[in-house]
Amino acid sequence: LAKTTQPISMDSYEGQEVNITCSHNNIATNDYITWYQQFPSQGPRFIIQGYKTKVTNEVASLFIPADRKSSTLSLPRVSLSDTAVYYCLVGARGGNTDKLIFGTGTRLQVFP
Amino acid sequence: ETGVTQSPTHLIKTRGQQVTLRCSSQSGHNTVSWYQQALGQGPQFIFQYYREEENGRGNFPPRFSGLQFPNYSSELNVNALELDDSALYLCASSSDRGAETQYFGPGTRLLVL
Repeated sequence: LAKTTQPISMDSYEGQEVNITCSHNNIATNDYITWYQQFPSQGPRFIIQGYKTKVTNEVASLFIPADRKSSTLSLPRVSLSDTAVYYCLVGARGGNTDKLIFGTGTRLQVFP
Repeated sequence: ETGVTQSPTHLIKTRGQQVTLRCSSQSGHNTVSWYQQALGQGPQFIFQYYREEENGRGNFPPRFSGLQFPNYSSELNVNALELDDSALYLCASSSDRGAETQYFGPGTRLLVL
């Protein structure tokens, strides 16, 4: 089964840029990388998805190196409301479910 | 556009009982996935339904079963409840199978006593 590895926790201060890296050494050719954010007692929320190089939307950027064995979620100028757990998921769209593994995620704590 | 909804929001059952949880998928989505999330853990994949057929299953016993209806809403049934089944049950809908972007509902908090 595909497995991702993320830091268990990270601390930051308001206004700083936060980068969370996910390792996925056995990523397959058809796999995409998707990041989710989860607040306590709520369902995860989609943040961003990418296949290679760089993807940017209104809330985050996703950097994927050429070998695609890792990816970095970048949150610019975090605020207190970004305190949450962030999950990296790697798998094929339109395919089987073997890689629907969320892991334990990265707990981000933002301080004032 | 209506988001993913789940019912009930909270539920208390006793060991050995059976429970049915419900999920309405987002408009235009034909795939529903179910997850179990214990306190402090990440969501654990239970199974996924695509166009009323099961498209994959995680490492859960047969007493966890599901159903998807023609309107793509879904049910999760758990028989012979055990104390360890206490968790947040999440439903997610998507426009395709596998690891397509998933949109989660608020979850159902199940407590088994």
